[in-house]
Amino acid sequence: AQSVTQPDIHITVSEGASLELRCNYSYGATPYLFWYVQSPGQGLQLLLKYFSGDTLVQGIKGFEAEFKRSQSSFNLRKPSVHWSDAAEYFCGFNTNAGKSTFGDGTTLTVKP
Amino acid sequence: SQTIHQWPATLVQPVGSPLSLECTVEGTSNPNLYWYRQAAGRGLQLLFYSVGIGQISSEVPQNLSASRPQDRQFILSSKKLLLSDSGFYLCAWSPSGALGDTQYFGPGTRLTVL
Repeated sequence: AQSVTQPDIHITVSEGASLELRCNYSYGATPYLFWYVQSPGQGLQLLLKYFSGDTLVQGIKGFEAEFKRSQSSFNLRKPSVHWSDAAEYFCGFNTNAGKSTFGDGTTLTVKP
Repeated sequence: SQTIHQWPATLVQPVGSPLSLECTVEGTSNPNLYWYRQAAGRGLQLLFYSVGIGQISSEVPQNLSASRPQDRQFILSSKKLLLSDSGFYLCAWSPSGALGDTQYFGPGTRLTVL
């Protein structure tokens, strides 16, 4: 079955600390992976995506993610979190026919 | 550049009333269009997607329906709302159904059914 698991429902980090949000997927082929961010009451904004090539991808707002095929993971990282990064983060992948599967999201709280 | 609009932004409706949410896309042609629902504290559930005018695919059985009367217009409807229809509804578009496509999301509609 195709699925995305984000094991951490809620993460709290201090401003300036590093961040890693976990994402694991289950798919029968190499997926087209992405991370989106959603501020409260807003739509989703694409942070980064991976399809092929370099397994470390850079995104907007200083985020990066690393694809690890052996672990079926696509974890999102940021070296130094800012208060404005507080939001909900969704990992997911595209399947054929243009449909997407999303995880349930991780809510990030940033402490001052 | 492309933009996506949704309205209304918020809606409070009584149980049993009808529903119509509208989504329009500007600056592109023949996009793939999607309706998602996001329940409180949950991820995104794909409800419908469309690859062209009048072509609608339903992902889950439900109380809702979708229509695409024009190329860049996608409408989500219900004849009789249920309490369980409450949630945050997001419309999205992508250039095509290609695997590498990015989906671009609208600002969403917060629906509360009382």
